Amino acid sequence: GQNIDQPTEMTATEGAIVQINCTYQTSGFNGLFWYQQHAGEAPTFLSYNVLDGLEEKGRFSSFLSRSKGYSYLLLKELQMKDSASYLCAVRDPQNTGFQKLVFGTGTRLLVSP
Amino acid sequence: DSGVTQTPKHLITATGQRVTLRCSPRSGDLSVYWYQQSLDQGLQFLIQYYNGEERAKGNILERFSAQQFPDLHSELNLSSLELGDSALYFCASSGGGGTSGQGPFFGPGTRLTVL
Repeated sequence: GQNIDQPTEMTATEGAIVQINCTYQTSGFNGLFWYQQHAGEAPTFLSYNVLDGLEEKGRFSSFLSRSKGYSYLLLKELQMKDSASYLCAVRDPQNTGFQKLVFGTGTRLLVSP
Repeated sequence: DSGVTQTPKHLITATGQRVTLRCSPRSGDLSVYWYQQSLDQGLQFLIQYYNGEERAKGNILERFSAQQFPDLHSELNLSSLELGDSALYFCASSGGGGTSGQGPFFGPGTRLTVL
């Protein structure tokens, strides 16, 4: 099975940098995803890591260490609209050839002025 | 807009009733995934269909069932509803490949309230 852990809640200030951590235990590994979800809305894709290292995409970056079962999402130059939940998910390695994701409970980020 | 559509957006019903949630995947996507998100809980995978056939099953209750039709739209049927079934139900879709770096696309969800 898969187990994914994230902090429940974080707060940060507009313009700052925040790092949201995710640890996972899986039987096999086939990719890790980060999604953003505003309250009551659909999750939207942010980033994907399958190899170790940092993937940068504008203000958002995501890092993966497969040996440590660890990932983080880095958000720079925070804006008020970044207040949302950030979901860490792993692709189920048993679901070969498809995109079934197993999600953590998410980290609620509150950005204050 | 992800291209995945779900109807209805909101549904209010009583305990013991049965409801049907509908999902149309993005154009060209063959896989449909259903997730349940209860208050303050993560997205829980329910079931996946690929081109009309069931491919993966999560912790879906026996009172729940789903199917995918030849035109690829999918329906999730929830019966004998209980208060605890109140949740957001999301449908997601993806193409046939499992190594894509783009995760599945989620629809806007159906908010089910059981009174």
